[in-house]
Amino acid sequence: SFELAQPPSVSVSPGQTATISCSGDNLGDVFAAWYQQKPGQSPVLVIFQDSKRPSGIPERFSGSNSGNTATLTISETQAVDEAEYYCQAWDRRTGGAFGGGTKLTVL
Amino acid sequence: QVQLMESGGGVVQPGGSLRLSCAASGFAFSEYGMHWVRQAPAKGLEWVAFIHYADNKEYYGDSVKGRFTISRDNSKNALYLHLNSLRPDDTAVYYCANSGINFNPDQWGPGTLVTVSS
Repeated sequence: SFELAQPPSVSVSPGQTATISCSGDNLGDVFAAWYQQKPGQSPVLVIFQDSKRPSGIPERFSGSNSGNTATLTISETQAVDEAEYYCQAWDRRTGGAFGGGTKLTVL
Repeated sequence: QVQLMESGGGVVQPGGSLRLSCAASGFAFSEYGMHWVRQAPAKGLEWVAFIHYADNKEYYGDSVKGRFTISRDNSKNALYLHLNSLRPDDTAVYYCANSGINFNPDQWGPGTLVTVSS
């Protein structure tokens, strides 16, 4: 299955842009998704199919995926965006995988 | 709106078995693949299993292959996960989720806690 690597933590100032990476061999050959999870809550899908936003997700969330790296970008970061973020991908031969998660701190 | 509700969690001894259920409503259950994902205490998400809607093809994560079985009953809008040969490291909150078009978990239930301990 995919091995997906994420930085354990990212810090950003309010109003600035946060970037969270997810790396895996030839990750760009499949679709990546991103989830936001706040303490005590279930994960919420924020990006699917590399760059699409589900209904209700703010436009400041965007994504890209190319080569070996998928990236989640949060523009004009707000305090409410502070959470754990996970990338996810699917391999048709072996199934699903999640990255280890990145804790986003808004200082 | 989509609702997913897991049940069946609890405390079980090592080597024991358990069956988790997920009741689905608010969407055409028979037309969606379904996932189980788990999260150990203070740890990250781990994908566990998937069942396709069309041919019931099953996929499993390496750590549960041969011990867990996913199944579904479209007549009851229900998803199941049969957990056998349980180990302490299977202790986690287990979530069910419906699947997006690219096999990504989409909407999630609140989860049910499984604790494996003697």
